[in-house]
Amino acid sequence: KAGVTQTPRYLIKTRGQQVTLSCSPISGHRSVSWYQQTPGQGLQFLFEYFSETQRNKGNFPGRFSGRQFSNSRSEMNVSTLELGDSALYLCASSLGGQTSHTEAFFGQGTRLTVV
Amino acid sequence: AQKITQTQPGMFVQEKEAVTLDCTYDTSDPSYGLFWYKQPSSGEMIFLIYQGSYDQQNATEGRYSLNFQKARKSANLVISASQLGDSAMYFCAMRALVGGFKTIFGAGTRLFVKA
Repeated sequence: KAGVTQTPRYLIKTRGQQVTLSCSPISGHRSVSWYQQTPGQGLQFLFEYFSETQRNKGNFPGRFSGRQFSNSRSEMNVSTLELGDSALYLCASSLGGQTSHTEAFFGQGTRLTVV
Repeated sequence: AQKITQTQPGMFVQEKEAVTLDCTYDTSDPSYGLFWYKQPSSGEMIFLIYQGSYDQQNATEGRYSLNFQKARKSANLVISASQLGDSAMYFCAMRALVGGFKTIFGAGTRLFVKA
């Protein structure tokens, strides 16, 4: 059974550009969550998608957006990149049940560097 | 509001010894799930162990056990017989209805296993 796949693994962009990151969840998983990880802020929740609908959203500016396709694959977009957007972006896949017992399985992340 | 607190930025342990990583949490929800994840230098988050708020017994998974003290709101991870490969970041996390079932993470503890 394939795990969570995130592409690309590494990315270098310049300020002002926009970027799209991709996440393919485990087969059968309908929920995809995105996290931003930085040394200073730790792991911060961006948003969660379930069955093509955004179900949860963190406290990030509107430059951060996402979507989910009918095959559960998800993309995250960041527009007008800032230096502070440099981070490891992690995608988590889960069955998506509205319960407290749903472990998430993570991809290896996309490391974004903004110069 | 929900919060996870990990007060140990870094820990050292001798190979083959046991180590306890601390985690305290705060939530107003009576039903919640607590998780521990391991993040090696490669970046991928690996699920280790789960404890439900209504579980009567402490969770165990191989060399990992969770010391759950509900009244104190603590969920410490105990790693027995440490191995060099245990050197990594460890994150405590929580899911609850009050948070919309999004998983929130603590700041993490970096564990160093010495030979």
